[in-house]
Amino acid sequence: EAGVTQFPSHSVIEKGQTVTLRCDPISGHDNLYWYRRVMGKEIKFLLHFVKESKQDESGMPNNRFLAERTGGTYSTLKVQPAELEDSGVYFCASSFRDNGGGTEAFFGQGTRLTVV
Amino acid sequence: AQSVTQLGSHVSVSEGALVLLRCNYSSSVPPYLFWYVQYPNQGLQLLLKYTSAATLVKGINGFEAEFKKSETSFHLTKPSAHMSDAAEYFCAVKANYGQNFVFGPGTRLSVLP
Repeated sequence: EAGVTQFPSHSVIEKGQTVTLRCDPISGHDNLYWYRRVMGKEIKFLLHFVKESKQDESGMPNNRFLAERTGGTYSTLKVQPAELEDSGVYFCASSFRDNGGGTEAFFGQGTRLTVV
Repeated sequence: AQSVTQLGSHVSVSEGALVLLRCNYSSSVPPYLFWYVQYPNQGLQLLLKYTSAATLVKGINGFEAEFKKSETSFHLTKPSAHMSDAAEYFCAVKANYGQNFVFGPGTRLSVLP
């Protein structure tokens, strides 16, 4: 079974440019999460999809970030325009629908974004 | 709201020594607790999880963790460290269905020969 896949693995862009990150979750996983880790700091929650709906987007830093999940399958996270402080590693994770909350999330390898 | 603290951003042990990585959580409801490990240039991998079935949880690679409600702790241990255990370890809490995972700051484990 394929795991969570993220594209690209690395991206270097100039300030002001646009970047789109993609995440392909494990097939059949309703839950899809985006997280970010900036410069060795804490892994911070960005948002959570259940199928194609945004369950929680309270962690999105500002309106320069836009996430979508078309048809409840893959997800994209667009940053437009990118700023220096957006640099970091962006992780995607997915999990089965859980009724009790104890279902673990499976993580992708992350996209390392560097804004110069 | 949930939160996680991990005492010690960097822990060093000798090969063969006991590994103890500390995790304390704050949660307004009975939590679900997880330990993840990140090896260099890889994603996060689940080591083990607590879901109220048993307070002592055994995971992969010889790791285990004990849930202590009175201490709000979920410390990770391994009796004998291997060089391959060198990685960064994250404790995470999840309150309930539909909630997101809240991570601690991570502890980097170094294993000395």
